[in-house]
Amino acid sequence: QQQVKQSPQSLIVQKGGISIINCAYENTAFDYFPWYQQFPGKGPALLIAIRPDVSEKKEGRFTISFNKSAKQFSLHIMDSQPGDSATYFCAARGNAGNMLTFGGGTRLMVKP
Amino acid sequence: DAGVIQSPRHEVTEMGQEVTLRCKPISGHNSLFWYRQTMMRGLELLIYFNNNVPIDDSGMPEDRFSAKMPNASFSTLKIQPSEPRDSAVYFCASRTRTRDTQYFGPGTRLTVL
Repeated sequence: QQQVKQSPQSLIVQKGGISIINCAYENTAFDYFPWYQQFPGKGPALLIAIRPDVSEKKEGRFTISFNKSAKQFSLHIMDSQPGDSATYFCAARGNAGNMLTFGGGTRLMVKP
Repeated sequence: DAGVIQSPRHEVTEMGQEVTLRCKPISGHNSLFWYRQTMMRGLELLIYFNNNVPIDDSGMPEDRFSAKMPNASFSTLKIQPSEPRDSAVYFCASRTRTRDTQYFGPGTRLTVL
C-alpha cells in the first residue's frame, strides 16, 4: 500500500531531447507528489511537486503530469541539458502524515 | 540560512564500533527525518520527529540503531555495534509545519569495514 514504483532505473537522452520518468502508486490516501533531484555527493532537493486536484504543473522546463484514475504521475524534462544529469526521485505522502515514500530513483544522463 | 547541517561528512569505522551521526535542522523547522540511502534499497525513512518527539521509528532496521532529538536544534543517529551492512549514506532532512518541502542535508557517508 505504501509502495511507489518508479521507472526507468536509468535513462540516457541527447541534449535538447525530452526526458520522461514515470511513477505509479497504490495508496489512494496519497495527496502530495514531489519530485526530488539529487546530484552526486549531495542530498536530494525538491524540484517540483503536485497535488491531485490538478492534472499538470509546469515550472520552466520541468512538468509533472498527474493521472489520478490511473494512480500514475510522471516528470517531463523538456530541452534536456547536460546539467540535468542527476538522479531523480518521485515521492508521495499521505494526507494524514509527515512521511514521504520514495520511488527507487532514475539516473538520468544527458549527452552533449 | 545555512541549510541542514550534518556531521561528519564521511565516517570510516570497523565492525563492532559505535557510530554517532549528527544533524542540525534548519532553524524554525519542527519536523526532522533520518533517511538511509543504498544502491540496493534506495532512499529509506528510518525515523522522524515532530517537535523533538519521535513519531514513527518503524523504519529503524534493528535495535542497534537509535535516534534522539534532545532539543529543536540537534539530533543524533547512533549505531551500536556497527556492521558492514550498515554502510550507506545517511541523510537528515527537516521541514516546517506549514510547508510541504523537506530540506535535505548533504549526508554522511558511512563505511563499516
